[in-house]
Amino acid sequence: QKEVEQDPGPLSVPEGAIVSLNCTYSNSAFQYFMWYRQYSRKGPELLMYTYSSGNKEDGRFTAQVDKSSKYISLFIRDSQPSDSATYLCAMSGATNKLIFGTGTLLAVQP
Amino acid sequence: EPEVTQTPSHQVTQMGQEVILRCVPISNHLYFYWYRQILGQKVEFLVSFYNNEISEKSEIFDDQFSVERPDGSNFTLKIRSTKLEDSAMYFCASSARGQATNEKLFFGSGTQLSVL
Repeated sequence: QKEVEQDPGPLSVPEGAIVSLNCTYSNSAFQYFMWYRQYSRKGPELLMYTYSSGNKEDGRFTAQVDKSSKYISLFIRDSQPSDSATYLCAMSGATNKLIFGTGTLLAVQP
Repeated sequence: EPEVTQTPSHQVTQMGQEVILRCVPISNHLYFYWYRQILGQKVEFLVSFYNNEISEKSEIFDDQFSVERPDGSNFTLKIRSTKLEDSAMYFCASSARGQATNEKLFFGSGTQLSVL
């Protein structure tokens, strides 16, 4: 079983739709959960950071962590064409090493 | 917003040659990282660096790889004898504190290394 699994997509939605992105993981030692956005030919940019289980909201973005199910989600409300990018989940335990998912390619159609 | 700068943006080299990838982390940051992304694959951790020494490294980071902070501003990744499978996008990142302390990592735009 892979340490972090993420559906690579691509996912295509109309502008204004609610987008749901998900990752599952196998390592119960993970405590820190992140979502990164990566535009083409650019480095990952941190969107959301969550420690342990729970929800976190920032503007149109909501991150959810369910440690009991080893499942994390990112919701994007009122999606915009500028949200079109690859979304990477990442997680870590008590070290400085981030483990990334493969990324989901999102296209928001105007 | 401050940013991590990487040079060059694209490096082409012959198999067996040495390459040095350069990074200028954000000026007040203390933790430095290298990650790489082979085309179509996930971003992979290579190494973290703090207080002038490696704090953690992955299995990928073998004896062919080394990192150095030669002065107060640059952070470099050296590959001594490149292999075809080293072809990848290499990302430098930095943070003010360690990742395990709820600290944001800032990534550079990457250096695309092509080994021929």
